[in-house]
Amino acid sequence: EAGVAQSPRYKIIEKRQSVAFWCNPISGHATLYWYQQILGQGPKLLIQFQNNGVVDDSQLPKDRFSAERLKGVDSTLKIQPAKLEDSAVYLCASSPFPINGYTFGSGTRLTVV
Amino acid sequence: GQQVMQIPQYQHVQEGEDFTTYCNSSTTLSNIQWYKQRPGGHPVFLIQLVKSGEVKKQKRLTFQFGEAKKNSSLHITATQTTDVGTYFCAGRNSGGGADGLTFGKGTHLIIQP
Repeated sequence: EAGVAQSPRYKIIEKRQSVAFWCNPISGHATLYWYQQILGQGPKLLIQFQNNGVVDDSQLPKDRFSAERLKGVDSTLKIQPAKLEDSAVYLCASSPFPINGYTFGSGTRLTVV
Repeated sequence: GQQVMQIPQYQHVQEGEDFTTYCNSSTTLSNIQWYKQRPGGHPVFLIQLVKSGEVKKQKRLTFQFGEAKKNSSLHITATQTTDVGTYFCAGRNSGGGADGLTFGKGTHLIIQP
């Protein structure tokens, strides 16, 4: 089966600019997650979707981050405006059900300068 | 909130030696998962443990879940160069509500040939 697709692979932006990441999960996976992984640390959950509804966004900095999953398939994560501390790899993951193991995409490496 | 701690942060071993990483949660977990991330790669699901005291094996890897469901370990016998990477445990809270995984900071395994 095809894996979780993410784009772009790399992105460099200046602080205060905006950026968007795209994720296409494995077909049929109802649950989709966005994680932020800062260099040297474990992934940190930003938001969890079940189909097109948000299950958990308690750790999403809502003043600058937003995410949507229209039609319950693809998802986009946006940052506006970006800060230097947003430099990280943004990982998208999906699973058939929340209790299953996750399949991660290759991630988008964001550098904010 | 829930915290998942892993030790050690780094482990250097000679090829052929054994390796163990330990994971401790501040709260009781409904289940725990283990992931491996190769340098420059994304986390890859290894296994999920659900039952108190559960032990699972995958070839040279042995995973354990503590009786109190607050700790876990991963043991690799006779390490090989292909085992290089960062091993993350990730726990799911048993208290209900949101069920996204909380990852530890990982143990970086470095193997010297």
